[in-house]
Amino acid sequence: GNSVTQMEGPVTLSEEAFLTINCTYTATGYPSLFWYVQYPGEGLQLLLKATKADDKGSNKGFEATYRKETTSFHLEKGSVQVSDSAVYFCALSEGVRLVFGQGTRLTINP
Amino acid sequence: GAVVSQHPSWVICKSGTSVKIECRSLDFQATTMFWYRQFPKQSLMLMATSNEGSKATYEQGVEKDKFLINHASLTLSTLTVTSAHPEDSSFYICSAVPWAGGPISYNEQFFGPGTRLTVL
Repeated sequence: GNSVTQMEGPVTLSEEAFLTINCTYTATGYPSLFWYVQYPGEGLQLLLKATKADDKGSNKGFEATYRKETTSFHLEKGSVQVSDSAVYFCALSEGVRLVFGQGTRLTINP
Repeated sequence: GAVVSQHPSWVICKSGTSVKIECRSLDFQATTMFWYRQFPKQSLMLMATSNEGSKATYEQGVEKDKFLINHASLTLSTLTVTSAHPEDSSFYICSAVPWAGGPISYNEQFFGPGTRLTVL
């Protein structure tokens, strides 16, 4: 079946550091790919998405490119802020269903 | 817009009792809602898909008689954990997909904040 693998956390960075959270997937067909973010005490929110190969999703300074050749959708941000501290989930679509990675906890220190 | 609430946010119950968790879409109608379970430091696992006015579709390995789902209206789905046991302790999360004919025409899931269930 389809699956998503994220890099192990937790990840701790200093403010203004460069962020990469790796995500790879296994899927039949061509799913849409997503990054969700969960801030403390809140529900998951869609951060960005890409619906086909070579698409780049972006939002709030975060970016991820749908790479079919490497089956990856790595999340990047050039300069993180303390407010980016959260748990990040990579996911793919199976129709209307979502398959999630295990989540990566990110902590940004001032 | 597109807010989903869950109630309660946390609950502690004795083994053998039943617990009901509500999931509401506050500002949109949702024909489809999903129920997930999340163990500590693990991913969200889809338990079931809930469609308004019809029986829920359960994922393989999820006991439908233990996890009763009712989607009685376009804004409310409930998950009842029957005869709860300590191994049912978990974080339960719902999501809702806006009705395609409504004002929010996204094909996207909006998530509730989750319910922490602890069974003693």
